[in-house]
Amino acid sequence: AQKVTQAQTEISVVEKEDVTLDCVYETRDTTYYLFWYKQPPSGELVFLIRRNSFDEQNEISGRYSWNFQKSTSSFNFTITASQVVDSAVYFCALSEPATSGTYKYIFGTGTRLKVLA
Amino acid sequence: DGGITQSPKYLFRKEGQNVTLSCEQNLNHDAMYWYRQDPGQGLRLIYYSQIVNDFQKGDIAEGYSVSREKKESFPLTVTSAQKNPTAFYLCASSMGGTSAYTDTQYFGPGTRLTVL
Repeated sequence: AQKVTQAQTEISVVEKEDVTLDCVYETRDTTYYLFWYKQPPSGELVFLIRRNSFDEQNEISGRYSWNFQKSTSSFNFTITASQVVDSAVYFCALSEPATSGTYKYIFGTGTRLKVLA
Repeated sequence: DGGITQSPKYLFRKEGQNVTLSCEQNLNHDAMYWYRQDPGQGLRLIYYSQIVNDFQKGDIAEGYSVSREKKESFPLTVTSAQKNPTAFYLCASSMGGTSAYTDTQYFGPGTRLTVL
């Protein structure tokens, strides 16, 4: 069955520290997509990245980087030199095709990141 | 500006009342979704629609209803049959199509519903 696990419920770091948010997933499919979203206190989910199962290259976007490892079914997210504005809840999600022709995202329970000044 | 709007931002309901949450998008997306978020939990899918005049139940559809009469609009009605409706409701949209599972979903700002 599909499942996304974000074992870290809450993380607190001091500004300028690096922090890694873990995401482990379970899927029967060989074709799937993984996503990360940020939910700031305002509530709206902001899309950060999409990765398909055939592309295991790590990605870097400014202070953000993502490490996708199919061997361990993980898609971890690292923020380098964290800032107070990074404080938010971060969600990892999995999407795969369903035999019925429909599909849905499976979300993890989220990790609350607090960056202290 | 292209995006998704939800209204109202905050909504208060008395027990036994039906309420309708609005969701509008101008992204020309075919697919739209409603999610419910409870504290400390991930998002759970209520309903989704991949095309106008068609929609499917998600994981927690009981006590909710939707319509999709226009491409841009996907209102959600929380009925009195929903036993615990207090939650944060998020609407999303994506391009849709035959490979919709590859889509990125874009979210609106959400509606916080409180039952008094």
